[in-house]
Amino acid sequence: AQTVTQSQPEMSVQEAETVTLSCTYDTSESDYYLFWYKQPPSRQMILVIRQEAYKQQNATENRFSVNFQKAAKSFSLKISDSQLGDAAMYFCAYRRPGGGNKLVFGAGTILRVKS
Amino acid sequence: NAGVMQNPRHLVRRRGQEARLRCSPMKGHSHVYWYRQLPEEGLKFMVYLQKENIIDESGMPKERFSAEFPKEGPSILRIQQVVRGDSAAYFCASSPASRGNTEAFFGQGTRLTVV
Repeated sequence: AQTVTQSQPEMSVQEAETVTLSCTYDTSESDYYLFWYKQPPSRQMILVIRQEAYKQQNATENRFSVNFQKAAKSFSLKISDSQLGDAAMYFCAYRRPGGGNKLVFGAGTILRVKS
Repeated sequence: NAGVMQNPRHLVRRRGQEARLRCSPMKGHSHVYWYRQLPEEGLKFMVYLQKENIIDESGMPKERFSAEFPKEGPSILRIQQVVRGDSAAYFCASSPASRGNTEAFFGQGTRLTVV
């Protein structure tokens, strides 16, 4: 079974600085999708960024980018120029092909942004 | 285009009562997924449904829990004879198809409190 591990329960970053959230996963599949979701206090799950395993290029969405290391099964999220609105719980998630949109989530990392 | 609608947002039930959680997927989406989030934890997959069919219920507890997605109307997650351990946030997600590079969109969740 696939597992997703987020080893940082909590992280802090100063406003305007850069922070990296870690995620590792375990799978025997060669093709899959990886996601980072943001969950603010409202509880709404917001998709931040997505990576297809067959793509070597790291995904980027504005201030958010990933470092995808397929051999190491690592998928970290980098947030540049951190803003107060980035404060939230961040979840890493895995989706295997053929399973619909069934996602396996990590335990999450609380990100605090200091002004 | 309205997003995934879940109701109620908050539900309080006494031990032994039944809880019914509703999820209306986004327009055009025929696949629904239910997840449970216990306090301080990530989301855990429960069940994947298409219209009138259960595709994957590998995450559903064997007793007291059931889910349906009828031809007409919302998907329903039903918990019979609730216990304190059922207290959690229950999220629904929907997607238009199971194959390809599609994305699941989440509702805001229903927070169930069992007293």
